[in-house]
Amino acid sequence: DAMVIQNPRYQVTQFGKPVTLSCSQTLNHNVMYWYQQKSSQAPKLLFHYYDKDFNNEADTPDNFQSRRPNTSFCFLDIRSPGLGDAAMYLCATRGGTHNEQFFGPGTRLTVL
Amino acid sequence: DAKTTQPPSMDCAEGRAANLPCNHSTISGNEYVYWYRQIHSQGPQYIIHGLKNNETNEMASLIITEDRKSSTLILPHATLRDTAVYYCIVRVTNTGNQFYFGTGTSLTVIP
Repeated sequence: DAMVIQNPRYQVTQFGKPVTLSCSQTLNHNVMYWYQQKSSQAPKLLFHYYDKDFNNEADTPDNFQSRRPNTSFCFLDIRSPGLGDAAMYLCATRGGTHNEQFFGPGTRLTVL
Repeated sequence: DAKTTQPPSMDCAEGRAANLPCNHSTISGNEYVYWYRQIHSQGPQYIIHGLKNNETNEMASLIITEDRKSSTLILPHATLRDTAVYYCIVRVTNTGNQFYFGTGTSLTVIP
């Protein structure tokens, strides 16, 4: 089945140690998103790509970067994780019959 | 994109219809209403969307008021597996790609 895959599902890193989260899709969608979701809160959009065109949200910290080397893959880089960056990180694509978003299962990041 | 207002939580008896309201009083004429749900520890899942007409699919019905300032998601026969957080989102589909999630409604289906 076509899908959005996120690896790993759980990631532990140390305070200040760079970490990369991965997302891949088999849907061949042009648009890919990264969201941050903290406990009991709604997902918060960090940035998105339309093809290779990167669109950053105004309030996304500089500590968060992203790469999209091709249509299928998108990476979230956190350069110096702080304790406040512990969260679920959700990757999504957009397309399909209703132009809706398709979400991956998320990566839960713990910062020690 | 217009903001949405939803009640923070609701309960519904199993087998009964669950009616989840959403207020979007500042919606523009070209903004669609989308509904997603998120079951605990999973990614959000698309349910349904509409512009001004009522919509129905295999999961739910969407009722949009004539002035488009509010809508209601209806789960006709709620099951325990429908316990989730339900998000109402309004967005423009022909410009920009952003989906901004509001605070959502936590629905608990009670046996």
